[in-house]
Amino acid sequence: SAVISQKPSRDICQRGTSLTIQCQVDSQVTMMFWYRQQPGQSLTLIATANQGSEATYESGFVIDKFPISRPNLTFSTLTVSNMSPEDSSIYLCSVELNTGELFFGEGSRLTVL
Amino acid sequence: DAKTTQPNSMESNEEEPVHLPCNHSTISGTDYIHWYRQLPSQGPEYVIHGLTSNVNNRMASLAIAEDRKSSTLILHRATLRDAAVYYCILRDMGGGADGLTFGKGTHLIIQP
Repeated sequence: SAVISQKPSRDICQRGTSLTIQCQVDSQVTMMFWYRQQPGQSLTLIATANQGSEATYESGFVIDKFPISRPNLTFSTLTVSNMSPEDSSIYLCSVELNTGELFFGEGSRLTVL
Repeated sequence: DAKTTQPNSMESNEEEPVHLPCNHSTISGTDYIHWYRQLPSQGPEYVIHGLTSNVNNRMASLAIAEDRKSSTLILHRATLRDAAVYYCILRDMGGGADGLTFGKGTHLIIQP
C-alpha cells in the first residue's frame, strides 16, 4: 500500500488568486495523477504528473491554469491559477503501485469566493 | 478506455450479500476490470481488479463473465461501512498506463 499526504486539506480563497496543493507519498512511485471532483460529481482526471518532464494534460485542462510540478518520485504539486468560483472542487492526488492498484489521497477541498 | 454501464443506485440489507453489476460490452482484450469505491468525504479506495478469471480478496469477489462483456462485484456480507459509491472502470494495460476514467458509479445504500 501507499500513504499519501495532501496539503492543504481545505482552503477558502479569493477570486483571482492562486493556490498550490502538495502531494507527498511515503514511497517512490512512477505514476502520479491529479483529479478533480466537483460537488456531487464523479472524479475527472486533470493530468499525469511526469517526473522530470512536463505533465500530460487531459482534454479540457491546460498548463497555464493547472501548472504541475514533479521534482522527484515521491512529491508533486498542483497549482490552481487565477481562481474563480467554478474552480471550487475537491482536488485529489493519486499514485499507482506495481500491482496496478491506485491509491488516492484524502483530497484538498477548495472553496473560491 | 472502453465505457462501462452501472445502475445509478442499489439498496441492500446489512449482513446480506450484495451483487453489483457492470456492463462493458466494448471491452478490449487488454482491458483490466477495476473496482473502486468512495466512502463519504474520502478519496476513492481500491477494491479489486481482474482480467479474465474470477478474483477474490479480503474485501470482495469479482465474477467476470466468460465473454468479458459484464462483471459483478460481490460483497459477501454487507456492513453499514460498505455504503459508498462503487465504480467499475476498464483500464487498458496493453500500452502505457493512463489514469483511471471514472463514470458515475453505483450508489450503494445499506439498510440496518
